[in-house]
Amino acid sequence: EVQLLESGGGLVQPGGSLRLSCAASGFTFSSFAMSWVRQSPGKGLECVSTFSGSGSTTYLADSVKGRFTFSRDISRNTLFLQMTSLRAEDTAVYYCARGGTVVVPFDYWGQGTLVTVSS
Amino acid sequence: QSVLTQPPSVSAAPGQKVTISCSGSSSNIGNNYVCWYQQVPGTAPKLLIYDNNKRPSGIPDRFSGSKSGTSATLGITGVQTGDEADYYCGTWDYSLSGGVVFGGGTKLTVL
Repeated sequence: EVQLLESGGGLVQPGGSLRLSCAASGFTFSSFAMSWVRQSPGKGLECVSTFSGSGSTTYLADSVKGRFTFSRDISRNTLFLQMTSLRAEDTAVYYCARGGTVVVPFDYWGQGTLVTVSS
Repeated sequence: QSVLTQPPSVSAAPGQKVTISCSGSSSNIGNNYVCWYQQVPGTAPKLLIYDNNKRPSGIPDRFSGSKSGTSATLGITGVQTGDEADYYCGTWDYSLSGGVVFGGGTKLTVL
């Protein structure tokens, strides 16, 4: 059974940093693209970043370029999102999802972790 | 402002049919597969339709998808109270930085 479990969310002040993790199980982690998708309170979905199965960043949203870094540890089947210089508009539930390339949909999603940027 | 355009809300009585539209452009829907996601309030989105009209295992055939030109449509027949949720369309966009883009979401209310 495919499972994605996010952690690391919380309350952080503007300008601060936070690292999110996504532990994956039930599939060959290195063979799939993985993405972070966020949803601001009461708003729609926004794909923040996609990491291809080969290990390169396929996509990084303009809104987070220069501030967010996407990485993975294949030995631990874990995805990371390092967020720096956080702004109020980064407040959202961050979902880890499998897929997100041109031809691969987001077929599995984690339960999400809430990031709140506020003073 | 979402790249793809969906109606904010639709409604239907139990047992009726409802459709949700998703409008885009040649840089996204016009040249890529469309997916649809269902999000029950307080839960994560779930893949409902992929490759325009295919259903993942476990999704009932009451849900269908279609695409024509730069628009796509999600259809739900025999609407049930459990279908009350937000529905999002999504596809790849080749403009600027690329990446998956979504519609703003459509709230289905079952009357």
